[in-house]
Amino acid sequence: EVQLVESGGGLVQPGRSLRLSCVASGFKFDDYAMHWVRQAPGKGLEWVSGISWMRTLIGYADSVKGRFTISRDKAENSIYLQMNSLRTEDTALYYCAKGSRIGLVKGAYDYWGQGTLVTVSS
Amino acid sequence: AIQMTQSPSSLSASVGDRVTITCRASQDIRKDLAWYQQKPGKAPKLLISAASTLQSGVPSRFSGSGSGTDFVLTISSLQPDDFAAYFCLQDSNFPNTFGQGTHLEI
Repeated sequence: EVQLVESGGGLVQPGRSLRLSCVASGFKFDDYAMHWVRQAPGKGLEWVSGISWMRTLIGYADSVKGRFTISRDKAENSIYLQMNSLRTEDTALYYCAKGSRIGLVKGAYDYWGQGTLVTVSS
Repeated sequence: AIQMTQSPSSLSASVGDRVTITCRASQDIRKDLAWYQQKPGKAPKLLISAASTLQSGVPSRFSGSGSGTDFVLTISSLQPDDFAAYFCLQDSNFPNTFGQGTHLEI
């Protein structure tokens, strides 16, 4: 059974940093792209960042470029999102999601975690 | 970045109705389009990938069509369980982008 479990969310002041983690299980982690998607309270979905299976292709939404960094660790079956210079508008539920196509960055996200809540407030 | 324009933003319908939701991409994305359903407090659920491929376990009343810039999600006969939010996603290029969402209500 595929499982994605996010952690690391919490309350943080503007300008501070936070690191999110997502542990994956139930599939061959190395074969798939992984993504972070966020959802502000009462709002729609926003793609934040994605990373290919070999870490050769990484992308960011314009809203987080230069502040957030995605990474993945094969040994830990995990992806991470280092979030620096946080702003109040970064407040959201952050989901980890798995790409659906082996060896490709393109493709829908077929499994999602339950999310970890990040609140940026003074 | 590719912009995804989804319409309508909200839709009132009844059980048994046929409904359509559209997404328009700001440039050609071939068939790199997915549809998701999201219920309150839950993670999104993948319904359709590659514009028209129904995911395993998704009822056949859901269908997707389109290519290039114009895409449609159709629910042929609404069931009570279908009242939810729906989002499109273009997964053609980074940055991936979602449509604004459609809230389907009774």
